[in-house]
Amino acid sequence: EDQVTQSPEALRLQEGESSSLNCSYTVSGLRGLFWYRQDPGKGPEFLFTLYSAGEEKEKERLKATLTKKESFLHITAPKPEDSATYLCAVQAYDKVIFGPGTSLSVIP
Amino acid sequence: DSGVTQTPKHLITATGQRVTLRCSPRSGDLSVYWYQQSLDQGLQFLIQYYNGEERAKGNILERFSAQQFPDLHSELNLSSLELGDSALYFCASSVEGGHGNEQFFGPGTRLTVL
Repeated sequence: EDQVTQSPEALRLQEGESSSLNCSYTVSGLRGLFWYRQDPGKGPEFLFTLYSAGEEKEKERLKATLTKKESFLHITAPKPEDSATYLCAVQAYDKVIFGPGTSLSVIP
Repeated sequence: DSGVTQTPKHLITATGQRVTLRCSPRSGDLSVYWYQQSLDQGLQFLIQYYNGEERAKGNILERFSAQQFPDLHSELNLSSLELGDSALYFCASSVEGGHGNEQFFGPGTRLTVL
């Protein structure tokens, strides 16, 4: 069965404390893996697209990596404004599956 | 601002009623996706249209239907509403229809069924 899981469910970090979020997936015919950021009550905001194992992308304090079975979102020296829910999604030919998300809180 | 617009922002209605949610994609995007997000279900893919044609179908109930018009805006129709249909409904758009293109989400419509 195609599915996407994310861990941890929630993460609380001190400002400046680096960490990683995990997205594990099983899907046939992967067309792309996406990371989004979602603030409460708002639509998800696109962060990264990864297409093949070994690919990496960076944006400010965020870096996304992809293997054949999972993706990591590394957050370096986070700031309070990085607090949000981070969603992982996989797209196959005929479906899009979102993970449940990781709720990140960065404490000043 | 993603460039995707959704109306209305909020909708309160009663069980058994029918509502229509509207979405305008980003300029140049041909594909529109609809999602339902509730507290216990997360973000669930409902349906995708590409240039007016249905491209993919997810967990969409038979009481729900959608269409994409020639000007590429899309409408999601929800009928015989139940309490459990209360949720945030998001529309997203992308340039193409199925090749790993990132999606850009609208601000959502919050539906409350009383």
